[in-house]
Amino acid sequence: DTGVSQDPRHKITKRGQNVTFRCDPISEHNRLYWYRQTLGQGPEFLTYFQNEAQLEKSRLLSDRFSAERPKGSFSTLEIQRTEQGDSAMYLCASSLRMQETQYFGPGTRLLVL
Amino acid sequence: AQKVTQAQTEISVVEKEDVTLDCVYETRDTTYYLFWYKQPPSGELVFLIRRNSFDEQNEISGRYSWNFQKSTSSFNFTITASQVVDSAVYFCALSESPLYSGGGADGLTFGKGTHLIIQP
Repeated sequence: DTGVSQDPRHKITKRGQNVTFRCDPISEHNRLYWYRQTLGQGPEFLTYFQNEAQLEKSRLLSDRFSAERPKGSFSTLEIQRTEQGDSAMYLCASSLRMQETQYFGPGTRLLVL
Repeated sequence: AQKVTQAQTEISVVEKEDVTLDCVYETRDTTYYLFWYKQPPSGELVFLIRRNSFDEQNEISGRYSWNFQKSTSSFNFTITASQVVDSAVYFCALSESPLYSGGGADGLTFGKGTHLIIQP
């Protein structure tokens, strides 16, 4: 399977805990994006990378959210001190170039108790 | 202001009926792209179509067709002879150049989606 993969698919955590999600993009894609989707809404853009450079992070929801892509391949999204409002689906996508089609992974569904 | 509006929250039709999903967008950019994605109950977003702002030709792919009209800033999606497997949430999305999307961002702006229910 050469599509975008995400791990884990589901995560249940207690409020105040840190969580980290992983995304593996399509291998030749150098752009990688993170989105959050809450119930009944469309995905909301959070941040993106071109290779290992994070080109936009002002859309991250708070300073508890951070993302990395250390070698320009997989990426991680970390949420520190989780809150119940962080419960959502976190989606990763990748593309070849700017404004090209973004292909999405299956998402990580987070539930904060 | 909402940049992508999908006014139909939910549509329910009987199988084999034709159905049109509306999408209206707003941008000052002259070079932009529009997309449709399908999200079945499994949750994964499936790419359907990408259209650039300079190409106003309608497109047909099997039972799917898209009508792009710059004059009304609309990019509507029609499913002909709908089937139960078409049941899903459909999202319209806009990609502007970073100058217009703000802060150099290259992310898609999505509408709220239309939940399509095809009844057997």
